[in-house]
Amino acid sequence: SQTIHQWPATLVQPVGSPLSLECTVEGTSNPNLYWYRQAAGRGLQLLFYSVGIGQISSEVPQNLSASRPQDRQFILSSKKLLLSDSGFYLCAWMDRGRRNTIYFGEGSWLTVV
Amino acid sequence: DQQVKQNSPSLSVQEGRISILNCDYTNSMFDYFLWYKKYPAEGPTFLISISSIKDKNEDGRFTVFLNKSAKHLSLHIVPSQPGDSAVYFCAALMNRDDKIIFGKGTRLHILP
Repeated sequence: SQTIHQWPATLVQPVGSPLSLECTVEGTSNPNLYWYRQAAGRGLQLLFYSVGIGQISSEVPQNLSASRPQDRQFILSSKKLLLSDSGFYLCAWMDRGRRNTIYFGEGSWLTVV
Repeated sequence: DQQVKQNSPSLSVQEGRISILNCDYTNSMFDYFLWYKKYPAEGPTFLISISSIKDKNEDGRFTVFLNKSAKHLSLHIVPSQPGDSAVYFCAALMNRDDKIIFGKGTRLHILP
């Protein structure tokens, strides 16, 4: 069966520090991968998605970036965090054979102080 | 611009009654619509979906209705149970780019 893991689960970082959140999917190949953020009052905001290695689509202008160095690995990064980057970050995957549902990881809480 | 809208931030329903969660969308090119349930500090879990070529899909206590002419869908939960208390997100997917857009969510409270 397919599983998705993201880490770290909780992170407290000072303003201006770098960020790296990692997501890995197991039990499938060539999935679509997604990063979402849930901030207060804004629902689930799509940040990045990827349909293949090295292919990244960015949805929101910001100081975050994403990379997909391997087929089942998706990384969310920042060189310098802002207070407004605080939120609950969610990784998700889609089976490209079905392409009608995405499945989420457990989420990562980021607090920028 | 918000392509998927959930205009009710919260909803309270008596246990055992029907819960109806609503969602509106603006883009007629969406191919699938999905509903997710989310508890605090957890990832959303998939509940039910519907293809744009259908008008109803049922799975146990959950039924989703799609009205394409009104660009409106709804999730019905019958009967409502205490464990249904959560935030429910409506989402829409376009196969053209596999992008999935979510609404802001509706918090459902099931009252004893």
